[in-house]
Amino acid sequence: EDKVVQSPLSLVVHEGDTVTLNCSYEVTNFRSLLWYKQEKKAPTFLFMLTSSGIEKKSGRLSSILDKKELSSILNITATQTGDSAIYLCAALIQGAQKLVFGQGTRLTINP
Amino acid sequence: DADVTQTPRNRITKTGKRIMLECSQTKGHDRMYWYRQDPGLGLRLIYYSFDVKDINKGEISDGYSVSRQAQAKFSLSLESAIPNQTALYFCATSNSSNYGYTFGSGTRLTVV
Repeated sequence: EDKVVQSPLSLVVHEGDTVTLNCSYEVTNFRSLLWYKQEKKAPTFLFMLTSSGIEKKSGRLSSILDKKELSSILNITATQTGDSAIYLCAALIQGAQKLVFGQGTRLTINP
Repeated sequence: DADVTQTPRNRITKTGKRIMLECSQTKGHDRMYWYRQDPGLGLRLIYYSFDVKDINKGEISDGYSVSRQAQAKFSLSLESAIPNQTALYFCATSNSSNYGYTFGSGTRLTVV
């Protein structure tokens, strides 16, 4: 059974802190690992990682995939209250092009 | 206008009623998906479709059915709604060259 696990499930930090969110996967026919941010309703796309060891960055957010360890991390530096959201990772299955999601990490940034 | 539109946005229905959730897209994507989201469980796949003649079950298809009326339209039906189908439902689209999904805004369904 395809499975994606995120940790921690919930995290509360102060503005300005740096956070690391974790995602591990066990899926057949893995193609890519995707990260989404969900604030109110629809998830919005952050990153897609296909190659191991290559960091992707967007402003204060960065992410990297480790295909040997079957895992990925999402880093957010100098956090702001606007970073408060649920962060979802998902494994993209080759062929069927299905996304298998983790449970999500609820991140709360306190001023 | 949104690329992926879901209707209704919110719905309260009674146990045993039939309900249909609709999804339409202007992305021109061939692949469409229905997911449900429950607190602490992430998003789980209900059904997906590669084109109007290709419908596939996801991991939690029991109690649901779908119809792909056209490339741009994919509807999800609950034939006889039950309270544990209370959830946030998302429609999403993708195509073979763009592996990232485009999500609709979601339908919050409550079954009482």
